[in-house]
Amino acid sequence: DGGITQSPKYLFRKEGQNVTLSCEQNLNHDAMYWYRQDPGQGLRLIYYSQIVNDFQKGDIAEGYSVSREKKESFPLTVTSAQKNPTAFYLCATADRRRFGNTIYFGEGSWLTVV
Amino acid sequence: DQQVKQNSPSLSVQEGRISILNCDYTNSMFDYFLWYKKYPAEGPTFLISISSIKDKNEDGRFTVFLNKSAKHLSLHIVPSQPGDSAVYFCAASVNSGGSNYKLTFGKGTLLTVNP
Repeated sequence: DGGITQSPKYLFRKEGQNVTLSCEQNLNHDAMYWYRQDPGQGLRLIYYSQIVNDFQKGDIAEGYSVSREKKESFPLTVTSAQKNPTAFYLCATADRRRFGNTIYFGEGSWLTVV
Repeated sequence: DQQVKQNSPSLSVQEGRISILNCDYTNSMFDYFLWYKKYPAEGPTFLISISSIKDKNEDGRFTVFLNKSAKHLSLHIVPSQPGDSAVYFCAASVNSGGSNYKLTFGKGTLLTVNP
């Protein structure tokens, strides 16, 4: 089954804890992204990676960290430094060999701080 | 500074009529534009895109129009169906010169198609 797999779908975190959201893809896409959606808001870019072992901060990277050790995987860690972590998190990928910036999203992960 | 703006948070239309969703942008470097559809608690799905060298792109019931001089694009859905009810996001990117492949999204428009 091809595509982008995010896990877990729902995650609860206590204040002060770090949590890691998983994103795996078997589309052989070079580029991977993490976006965040808050109610009534658009999608805001947290981090992105265009190639293995390289990643860049997006617009709202504070309080987050990522790694890109494998082409297929781009995990996102929400640290205790993130003040408002409750949100819907979306992982996405893109094929850099194709013209244009069509990116494809996973199903998303809900993170709730309790 | 919001570079991609969807000024209508919501839109309601009757089944069978045309839905027109609008999007404005401020960054003149944007040269590729996309529309995504999103249901609650799901990831957005790609609908249609347009390059800045074109002014229209059509795919079935969906047509995207681009007016570069006005920095405006619109998505037309004809005829609208109840299953089209979702949030629609406009997105834009810079593709020339080895871009960083970032997409900038608008805040979305909730479309409701009434039977």
